Formats: sequence, C-alpha cells, structure tokens
Amino acid sequence: QSVLTQPPSASGTPGQRVTISCSGSSSNIGSNYVYWYQQLPGTAPKLLIYRNNERPSGVPDRFSGSKSGTSASLAISGLRSEDEADYYCAAWDDSLSGHYVFGTGTKVTVL
Amino acid sequence: QVQLQESGPGLVKPSETLSLTCAVSGYSISSGYYWGWIRQPPGKGLEWIGTIYHSGSTYYNPSLKSRVTISVDTSKNQFSLQLSSVTAADTAVYYCARGGSGSYLQIDYWGQGTLVTVSS
Repeated sequence: QSVLTQPPSASGTPGQRVTISCSGSSSNIGSNYVYWYQQLPGTAPKLLIYRNNERPSGVPDRFSGSKSGTSASLAISGLRSEDEADYYCAAWDDSLSGHYVFGTGTKVTVL
Repeated sequence: QVQLQESGPGLVKPSETLSLTCAVSGYSISSGYYWGWIRQPPGKGLEWIGTIYHSGSTYYNPSLKSRVTISVDTSKNQFSLQLSSVTAADTAVYYCARGGSGSYLQIDYWGQGTLVTVSS
C-alpha cells in the first residue's frame, strides 16, 4: 500500500500542459527529496526528475518538478504523443528505520 | 554504460522461496551506490523491495522485511534477492536497479525486468 497518492489518470491534447500531483506526509516528501519516473508501455521505468526539480541528461526541459510542504508536482509542457506513459513519484520515508516509497502512479493519455 | 540483468526461475510454487540474481556490468558494485530490487504486479504500480551496499548494509520494505533477504557477491559483481513463503500476490515483474538508498536516492539504472509467476 503506497503512502504517496497520485491521481490515477491525467490527459491533454498535443501542445497542452499537464500537471500530476503527488501527496505525501512529513516523514517522506515533507523532509526528503522527490523523484519522478516515467514508464513507457512494456518497459522499465526511467528516471525523469531527481531532487525535486533536477533533470538527468537527455530529459527534455518540457518536464519540470516542484515541491511544497508535503506535496510535489510534475508538469509536462508542450505535451507530445510520446509522453503517453505511466508516471510515478517517489521519496525516502524516514519512518520504520527508513525505506523508499513510490506513488500510486498516474496514467497520462495524449488525446 | 551501466547495465543490469536479472536472472532466475520464471515460475515458483506457493510457499517456496523466490530467488533472483542481478548481474551488473559497466560498473563495479564495490565502488559504491546502493543496489536493489523493485517489483510490479501485472497491471499495478511499483513496489520497492529493498537495497544493499557492497559492505552488506541493507534497507528493506517494512511490509516485506520478514520474508526478504538481499545479498551481494562483489567477486562476481552481482547481488541477489530471496523472498520466502511466496503466494500468488508475489507474482510480478521484478526489476533490479542502482540507487534508492543512502546519499544517492535516484534510481538511475534499471534492468529490463523479469516476470516471476507464483503458481502450483
């Protein structure tokens, strides 16, 4: 059972901006960095955002992350058909000796 | 280029122990980072299982801790997962990966994943 809550789905037309929320608590998002992963159909997840808002090399600047308090957001601007995928937030949780937690996941559909 | 490759049985009987190995190439496990396992039941989300450092230090998902053992073999540059007393709920694609604990929390390299089915 995930402790990070995301909306099950989000959608937009090409070129639009889509935002995905990730809600946690003081023991995870509230006190640690947030990470975002993109999982294209049938493939392993890929790191999209690290340390709240940093992009690994090769990730387009259309993807951006932010964090405020115990919540975080991923924004995709200039939505493209290849952005259709599942997106997961993640963070370290300081409770119970510490462990990594993933969000529930959001399916982004490009209409 | 860091590469990870999972291997192990694709079918495990209920109540038995699931065993998987992850071979790492392009980077020496002894050089650093935590290495771990994540799973994904068919059609569902990601679940973090745990990680290990080359020293043997581990972190485990509290919900799985009583059944999980992660070990490392630096001489073979690989690490392994054992999950005991499996049930159908443990059927999933299992990924090995780099990161997710310590000072390097981003999981930046993933294996392709291997499907393990629990069935008699």
